Amino acid sequence: GQNIDQPTEMTATEGAIVQINCTYQTSGFNGLFWYQQHAGEAPTFLSYNVLDGLEEKGRFSSFLSRSKGYSYLLLKELQMKDSASYLCAAIDSNYQLIWGAGTKLIIKP
Amino acid sequence: DTGVSQDPRHKITKRGQNVTFRCDPISEHNRLYWYRQTLGQGPEFLTYFQNEAQLEKSRLLSDRFSAERPKGSFSTLEIQRTEQGDSAMYLCASSFISGREHNEQFFGPGTRLTVL
Repeated sequence: GQNIDQPTEMTATEGAIVQINCTYQTSGFNGLFWYQQHAGEAPTFLSYNVLDGLEEKGRFSSFLSRSKGYSYLLLKELQMKDSASYLCAAIDSNYQLIWGAGTKLIIKP
Repeated sequence: DTGVSQDPRHKITKRGQNVTFRCDPISEHNRLYWYRQTLGQGPEFLTYFQNEAQLEKSRLLSDRFSAERPKGSFSTLEIQRTEQGDSAMYLCASSFISGREHNEQFFGPGTRLTVL
């Protein structure tokens, strides 16, 4: 079957760094997305990885290891506005997105 | 800028009533998706269209749910004889795919359905 695993909730301090992990099992693999979703709002695109390695975009970076079926999202210099859910979604062989349940990130001052 | 729009944003209905939601995708996008999301969960796939053709429908979707995209532009999702378990956020997303793109999906603001 197809499955995405990510922690349910994480807590971090303003100004710190946090890493949100995601493991996936899909029938075929054509890349992985990270989306951010604030409470009551729609998900918005953060990053896309298809090759192994780290993709950096400002305070956010995303890493992929295809051989391990593993990705992480790294958030640096945390701000209160980063409090949100972070959704991992893998793209299967039919180019459909398989979604995780999301990781709720709580930022404390 | 015309992103994905959905109407209505909120809908409260009584159990047993029918409801219909509308989604207007980004104009040049050929794919349109419907998802359902409940609190603390990721989006749950319902169905998707490529142009006007409905290509896939979730096995979890009962016969009370139907979706259309008559001209390959806007789409409607209808739920007949609503049940309290249908209460959720209904999200629409669109994308453009012509080959082996990664299918980044752009989401609308969602319609929050409450069934009393």
